[in-house]
Amino acid sequence: DAGVIQSPRHEVTEMGQEVTLRCKPISGHDYLFWYRQTMMRGLELLIYFNNNVPIDDSGMPEDRFSAKMPNASFSTLKIQPSEPRDSAVYFCASSTYAGGGYNEQFFGPGTRLTVL
Amino acid sequence: SQKIEQNSEALNIQEGKTATLTCNYTNYSPAYLQWYRQDPGRGPVFLLLIRENEKEKRKERLKVTFDTTLKQSLFHITASQPADSATYLCALEIEGTYKYIFGTGTRLKVLA
Repeated sequence: DAGVIQSPRHEVTEMGQEVTLRCKPISGHDYLFWYRQTMMRGLELLIYFNNNVPIDDSGMPEDRFSAKMPNASFSTLKIQPSEPRDSAVYFCASSTYAGGGYNEQFFGPGTRLTVL
Repeated sequence: SQKIEQNSEALNIQEGKTATLTCNYTNYSPAYLQWYRQDPGRGPVFLLLIRENEKEKRKERLKVTFDTTLKQSLFHITASQPADSATYLCALEIEGTYKYIFGTGTRLKVLA
């Protein structure tokens, strides 16, 4: 397996524009997580899905952020409109629960977003 | 409020020595704790998981301890090598869920 795939790897956009980040999880994994990482706040969980259903979106900063998982092999995180404070590295991770608390997350390479 | 603390300052050690990284938490009662390694420009990579009823877990040169009384986990790398230089993150499971909250990480630099 190729691991978790994210696109694009880098995105530079202007304030007010819509940004869509994409993720393909590892085949067979039933959990998908979206994280945001900044120097100040570290790695923050935004939302996670189980079997394509959003379970917890309490980390989504505000209504400008939305995430979807239309099928088991694809998820998107959309920011509309984008703001400079959204600049960060966004990671997608997937996992499958193996019992006994073993929920190793496999992270993608991340998307570095810069909003000017 | 819930909080996870890792040394925000970088840790520099000489090759061959043991590196010890600390993860402290408050207002959590995690059943599971994980450690990840992150290299610059890459996503975190899972290293070890330890359960609340396990005091210690080892994997090759890595050792993790979990003290639920002190609310602390220690992560040790013995016989450290320059290739061990990276940022190390601890993550606690929110009880009753499958989600983990991450610390901000500690950057380790092993000097040759």
